[in-house]
Amino acid sequence: AQSVTQPDIHITVSEGASLELRCNYSYGATPYLFWYVQSPGQGLQLLLKYFSGDTLVQGIKGFEAEFKRSQSSFNLRKPSVHWSDAAEYFCAVGGYGNKLVFGAGTILRVKS
Amino acid sequence: EPEVTQTPSHQVTQMGQEVILRCVPISNHLYFYWYRQILGQKVEFLVSFYNNEISEKSEIFDDQFSVERPDGSNFTLKIRSTKLEDSAMYFCASSEPDRETIYGYTFGSGTRLTVV
Repeated sequence: AQSVTQPDIHITVSEGASLELRCNYSYGATPYLFWYVQSPGQGLQLLLKYFSGDTLVQGIKGFEAEFKRSQSSFNLRKPSVHWSDAAEYFCAVGGYGNKLVFGAGTILRVKS
Repeated sequence: EPEVTQTPSHQVTQMGQEVILRCVPISNHLYFYWYRQILGQKVEFLVSFYNNEISEKSEIFDDQFSVERPDGSNFTLKIRSTKLEDSAMYFCASSEPDRETIYGYTFGSGTRLTVV
């Protein structure tokens, strides 16, 4: 069965510092991978996705993620965090039947 | 940019009552979904719907739940007799049928259901 692990429940970074959120997946075939962001009281917004090709994908809001098949990872990065990036981030894998399997999420706090 | 619209944003209901959560998917999308997120837990798949029928459902989606696309624009989730453990944020989503975008859901902002 597909699964996604986000090992960090909370992360705190200073504004302007770099960010890396970790995601590991388990999936039997070539995965479709996603990062979503959820601000308090809001829905889930797609940041970026990986289907195939270049393993470094660019997303919105200056985020990028790198697919590493050998490590079953799809970590999200941003070189310089802004206070508005404070939110909860979810990694997901596209499973059978078009459904998404989500990780438990990582809450990002940004210190000014 | 096209949006998925969900109403109401917050619903409070008494245990045992029926609730209907409503969603208007993006007009040219053909796949529709419901997910839920119990407070502090993962977002979980409930059901997917295509061509006027359920294409997949999770073990959560038991006989208490049903979905319907009554008029070609709305997509509803009905919970027949609500339980306390149904309290959650319910997200509707839709996606295009194209292979490259099928997982690129657009989610609504959710309906927070509170069962008291």
